[in-house]
Amino acid sequence: EPEVTQTPSHQVTQMGQEVILHCVPISNHLYFYWYRQILGQKVEFLVSFYNNEISEKSEIFDDQFSVERPDGSNFTLKIRSTKLEDSAMYFCASSDPADPKVYQPQHFGDGTRLSIL
Amino acid sequence: LAKTTQPISMDSYEGQEVNITCSHNNIATNDYITWYQQFPSQGPRFIIQGYKTKVTNEVASLFIPADRKSSTLSLPRVSLSDTAVYYCLAGDDKIIFGKGTRLHILP
Repeated sequence: EPEVTQTPSHQVTQMGQEVILHCVPISNHLYFYWYRQILGQKVEFLVSFYNNEISEKSEIFDDQFSVERPDGSNFTLKIRSTKLEDSAMYFCASSDPADPKVYQPQHFGDGTRLSIL
Repeated sequence: LAKTTQPISMDSYEGQEVNITCSHNNIATNDYITWYQQFPSQGPRFIIQGYKTKVTNEVASLFIPADRKSSTLSLPRVSLSDTAVYYCLAGDDKIIFGKGTRLHILP
C-alpha cells in the first residue's frame, strides 16, 4: 500500500536556526497538509496546499512557517528562526481528489520529531 | 465542521468487542464521519468513514443512526495491538482533531 514518507525521523536544531522538514506524499494525491503534535497534546492543523498554493492555514502557521512543493514529488515545511515551543512531532498528510463530491480521508506519514535546543 | 464528543478513555480485554461512541449534534449535511487511529510516535491512520447507516471494512464497523447526530466505531475481538488513541471527526475537508479516546486493551 502506498504511503506518505517523511524525513528525517528526528531533527535536532539550535534555537534560532532554520529547519526544513521533508515529505513525499502518495504519488497521485493532489492535496497536501502539515500538522503538528506537541508531546501529550492534540494533533493541530497547520496548513493545506493544493494546486501549488496554500488553500487554508491555521493561526499557528504564521510568517515563521512556509511550505513549498519544489518538484513533482516533495512537499516541504520550512520553519525560520526556530523557538523552543516549536518542539513537536510534525506530520505530513495527503489526500486523493478522485471524487470531489466525496470527502477523501487523509493519509499521514509517521512524522518528524523536531527538538529545539 | 461539527464539534465531536467522545469518551476520554476506555479499557477492554483481549477478544472482546469494543464500541466507541461519538456524538456530533451539529453535523452538517455535507459532513462525513471519519475515524482515525494513532499509535504512540506514529501518524494518525485512517480506519473507516461513513455518511449514514452502516459501513464495514476489514478493520472495523461504523454505525450511524438516521439522525446522524452520533456514530459508533465497533472493533471486533480486539487484541493488545489495538491499544491506541481513536479520533472521531465530522467534516467535509479540514481535519480538526479532538483529544480522542485512549483505548487500553488488557490481557
